[in-house]
Amino acid sequence: GENVEQHPSTLSVQEGDSAVIKCTYSDSASNYFPWYKQELGKRPQLIIDIRSNVGEKKDQRIAVTLNKTAKHFSLHITETQPEDSAVYFCAASRGDYKLSFGAGTTVTVRA
Amino acid sequence: NAGVMQNPRHLVRRRGQEARLRCSPMKGHSHVYWYRQLPEEGLKFMVYLQKENIIDESGMPKERFSAEFPKEGPSILRIQQVVRGDSAAYFCASSPPGHLYGYTFGSGTRLTVV
Repeated sequence: GENVEQHPSTLSVQEGDSAVIKCTYSDSASNYFPWYKQELGKRPQLIIDIRSNVGEKKDQRIAVTLNKTAKHFSLHITETQPEDSAVYFCAASRGDYKLSFGAGTTVTVRA
Repeated sequence: NAGVMQNPRHLVRRRGQEARLRCSPMKGHSHVYWYRQLPEEGLKFMVYLQKENIIDESGMPKERFSAEFPKEGPSILRIQQVVRGDSAAYFCASSPPGHLYGYTFGSGTRLTVV
């Protein structure tokens, strides 16, 4: 099955700086890569996703890049704010119903 | 639209008891998925159901766990004879027919086995 690895496990950044989270996947058939944000005690919420026919996607301060050849994808958050503090999960899917998640990155934005 | 509704939010069970977790999908959604999140880990797929059908239960433990999505009413994840290792957050998600991308998660049920 699919194996998704996520790094780093924790990330502390100064407010206003950028945060980058990287994930690798093992299944070359994976073609859908969502990112979820989970605040403490709450549900995971989809913040951005990318499909394999696209190399980069941006939504305001959030961007995701995908390198299919190397089988890795990254989340970039620019101009970080305190409300960006949360756990972020990457995931991969073959475009069917099953998501394989990374172990998560705890992001702390220091004021 | 109330979103994906899960109850209870918190559930405490003693070892050996049964736990029943309920999930009502978003209106118009006919696909339901259950995921389990162990402390400080990512979510792990458990089971995918449609009304009255289990489509894929490859992530379910072989014993004590079962799931259903009846014609009427919510989807139920049932854990019999709970053990401490079952303590986790259980999330349900749903998606509409023919649309499997970016499904919506419920707020989860946090099961604690004492």
